[in-house]
Amino acid sequence: GIQVEQSPPDLILQEGANSTLRCNFSDSVNNLQWFHQNPWGQLINLFYIPSGTKQNGRLSATTVATERYSLLYISSSQTTDSGVYFCAVEDDKIIFGKGTRLHILP
Amino acid sequence: GAVVSQHPSRVICKSGTSVKIECRSLDFQATTMFWYRQFPKQSLMLMATSNEGSKATYEQGVEKDKFLINHASLTLSTLTVTSAHPEDSSFYICSASLTQGALFPEAFFGQGTRLTVV
Repeated sequence: GIQVEQSPPDLILQEGANSTLRCNFSDSVNNLQWFHQNPWGQLINLFYIPSGTKQNGRLSATTVATERYSLLYISSSQTTDSGVYFCAVEDDKIIFGKGTRLHILP
Repeated sequence: GAVVSQHPSRVICKSGTSVKIECRSLDFQATTMFWYRQFPKQSLMLMATSNEGSKATYEQGVEKDKFLINHASLTLSTLTVTSAHPEDSSFYICSASLTQGALFPEAFFGQGTRLTVV
């Protein structure tokens, strides 16, 4: 089946810093979405982005489907950005990556 | 976005007992609901997909008789962990979709239920 790899696995940054999270997938996929899981476990949809680029405030995402990767950019990090960021792909089933654990220091 | 409410948020039960977890879509009708399991610091593993009025489709390796899923209405799905054992302790998350069978992009997640079996 499709493999989804996220990097880095862990990231600690000072408030105000920028970061780039990466999601690689091993084969063509129909859909891709980025999620944020806050420290209390709630999952929030960030971007539905099977291809192209989207922006929402300080967050933006780019998927290059032909090269099988997606990037999530977080600018001017805030402590509320802490948590785990997952990408998930959909082929004939839904597969989540292992996530990037982000900790923003005040 | 749409609101999905999951209850309870935390439950502790004795080994051998059963626990029911509810997942409700509060402001939309969810044709499809998904149930996930998440171990500490791990990813989400899809357990089953349920469509209203139909039997749930379980992922390979998930015991149907252990994890009973009922999706009796367009706003409510329940997951019952039967004869729970300590190895069933985990974080369970539901997701409700506006579109039948689709997780992306119109699915929203409940707050999760942390189950501890003692």
